[in-house]
Amino acid sequence: GDSVTQTEGLVTLTKGLPVMLNCTYQTTYSPFLFWYVQHLNEAPKLLLKSSTDNKRTEHQGFYATLHKSSSSFHLQKSSVQLSDSALYFCALSEGPNYNVLYFGSGTKLTVEP
Amino acid sequence: EAAVTQSPRNKVTVTGGNVTLSCRQTNSHNYMYWYRQDTGHGLRLIHYSYGAGNLQIGDVPDGYKATRTTQEDFFLLLELASPSQTSLYFCASSDAGLGVAEQFFGPGTRLTVL
Repeated sequence: GDSVTQTEGLVTLTKGLPVMLNCTYQTTYSPFLFWYVQHLNEAPKLLLKSSTDNKRTEHQGFYATLHKSSSSFHLQKSSVQLSDSALYFCALSEGPNYNVLYFGSGTKLTVEP
Repeated sequence: EAAVTQSPRNKVTVTGGNVTLSCRQTNSHNYMYWYRQDTGHGLRLIHYSYGAGNLQIGDVPDGYKATRTTQEDFFLLLELASPSQTSLYFCASSDAGLGVAEQFFGPGTRLTVL
């Protein structure tokens, strides 16, 4: 809920351009951060995750770096494709119960030709 | 990859109606979760469980009951459905034995309360 903030509700880009989707969080524990992707009429799926400060994590062309100093975990891609159009959720896992995820409100990315 | 199935996939009921949503996972995960998804709110946790007979309250539990009958099966119950419960419901599972584990989601159930 309020633990994770995604500032952009809608992002529309032309194919081939870079993208950054913002995610900031609040916690007093050591955090685990996740990005989930949900394509139209499908279930959310894990895209990438991290708990290591200042280390870049990559998967399927997307990357993110957890910055504990700024409480951020922004998702980036250098060149978006039409198939990247989807809903992207940032999520936080925090102590003492690391098995519960707190999701942001999501960012809908639309990539146009 | 974990297999999580949900039934029904679509359900329409009337205000005050009784609804049960079913979820089954076949990979022996210990944790199971029920979420609702609404535009502008993302995924909100209703209830979750770490094993048969266990139930934990999530962030938005009002109006919902849940029961975990076996390791595989987790049910969400709406005993007096209201229009505010019209939503897309997802079930998920994860294996806590792997530390902070990925959650695997089912295909979702779209519920409409008239």
